Amino acid sequence: GNSVTQMEGPVTLSEEAFLTINCTYTATGYPSLFWYVQYPGEGLQLLLKATKADDKGSNKGFEATYRKETTSFHLEKGSVQVSDSAVYFCALSEGPKLIFGTGTRLQVFP
Amino acid sequence: GAGVSQSPSNKVTEKGKDVELRCDPISGHTALYWYRQSLGQGLEFLIYFQGNSAPDKSGLPSDRFSAERTGGSVSTLTIQRTQQEDSAVYLCASSTRGGHSTGFGNTIYFGEGSWLTVV
Repeated sequence: GNSVTQMEGPVTLSEEAFLTINCTYTATGYPSLFWYVQYPGEGLQLLLKATKADDKGSNKGFEATYRKETTSFHLEKGSVQVSDSAVYFCALSEGPKLIFGTGTRLQVFP
Repeated sequence: GAGVSQSPSNKVTEKGKDVELRCDPISGHTALYWYRQSLGQGLEFLIYFQGNSAPDKSGLPSDRFSAERTGGSVSTLTIQRTQQEDSAVYLCASSTRGGHSTGFGNTIYFGEGSWLTVV
């Protein structure tokens, strides 16, 4: 079946460091891909999405490119802030549902 | 309200008791989902409603779990004879439509969840 694999966390970075959170997927067909973020004490929020191969989703300085050849959708940000500390979930669409990875906790220190 | 509303936000219950969790989706959203987030695990799909169609119950972990959606709006997730392993955050989500056409991604909006602790 379809699945999503994320790098295990926590990822610990200093402010202004470069961030990469790896995400790879296994899927039949052509799913849409998503990154969701869960800030401390808050609900899950859509961060960005891409609906077809080579699409780049971007929001709040974060980017991810839908790579069909490597079945990946890695999340990147050039300069992280303390306020980016959260848990990040990669997901793919399976019909109307979302299949999520296990999440990666990001901790950014000043 | 503007977002997906869930209640209660926190619930502590004794093992063996039944619990009901409520979800009020975004107005006009025809698709409604329930997910479960357990400690140390990812989000697990439970059930999906789309309009008047029969729900997709493929993610419900046992027959102790059931859900209904009345009038195409509010949904209730019921867990009977709760067990300690049922302790988790139960997330409700909604979207404008549940289907995908040629891979178009449908944005799903989540509520803040109901934290269930079974003691």
